[in-house]
Amino acid sequence: GDSVTQTEGLVTLTEGLPVMLNCTYQSTYSPFLFWYVQHLNEAPKLLLKSFTDNKRPEHQGFHATLHKSSSSFHLQKSSAQLSDSALYYCALIGRGDSNYQLIWGSGTKLIIKP
Amino acid sequence: GPKVLQIPSHQIIDMGQMVTLNCDPVSNHLYFYWYKQILGQQMEFLVNFYNGKVMEKSKLFKDQFSVERPDGSYFTLKIQPTALEDSAVYFCASSFGTGGAPEQYFGPGTRLTVL
Repeated sequence: GDSVTQTEGLVTLTEGLPVMLNCTYQSTYSPFLFWYVQHLNEAPKLLLKSFTDNKRPEHQGFHATLHKSSSSFHLQKSSAQLSDSALYYCALIGRGDSNYQLIWGSGTKLIIKP
Repeated sequence: GPKVLQIPSHQIIDMGQMVTLNCDPVSNHLYFYWYKQILGQQMEFLVNFYNGKVMEKSKLFKDQFSVERPDGSYFTLKIQPTALEDSAVYFCASSFGTGGAPEQYFGPGTRLTVL
């Protein structure tokens, strides 16, 4: 079945440094990929989605590129801010899935230090 | 962005009692979902609902769980009877669901504590 792998459980960075959170996936069909961000005691919020008419999706300085050859959708930002500290989930919806069920990665906790 | 509302934000009940969690999804969305998140753990899918029917459910969706959306009102998750292991934050989500817009939007969650 479909799956999402986030290898880093915790990433700690100094403010101003670049961010890269890894996400790889397995899916029978070319899926939709998403990044959600969850701050403490809040709902997950959609940060990025992969299907933006061949444009690289960007939001709040974050971007991600879908690489079908390596089945990856890594999240990147050039300069981390303190407010970026949160839990980040990579998730997919399989194109063959008529129920549009989100398959979640295990999440990466990002901590940005001054 | 689109807003999903959940009522109540917190609920504390005794084991064995019934609880109903309410969700007001985005108005033109067609697919509705419940997820469970135990403190410090990852989000887990419970069930999705479309056109008045459960489309898919996970192993976590026990027989004590039920969902409905009567007459376009709240999308509800009912647990009867509750158990200690049901303590978690329950997130509702909705999506329009077509191939061009499958992304899900989440409510703020209901923190359920079963004593």
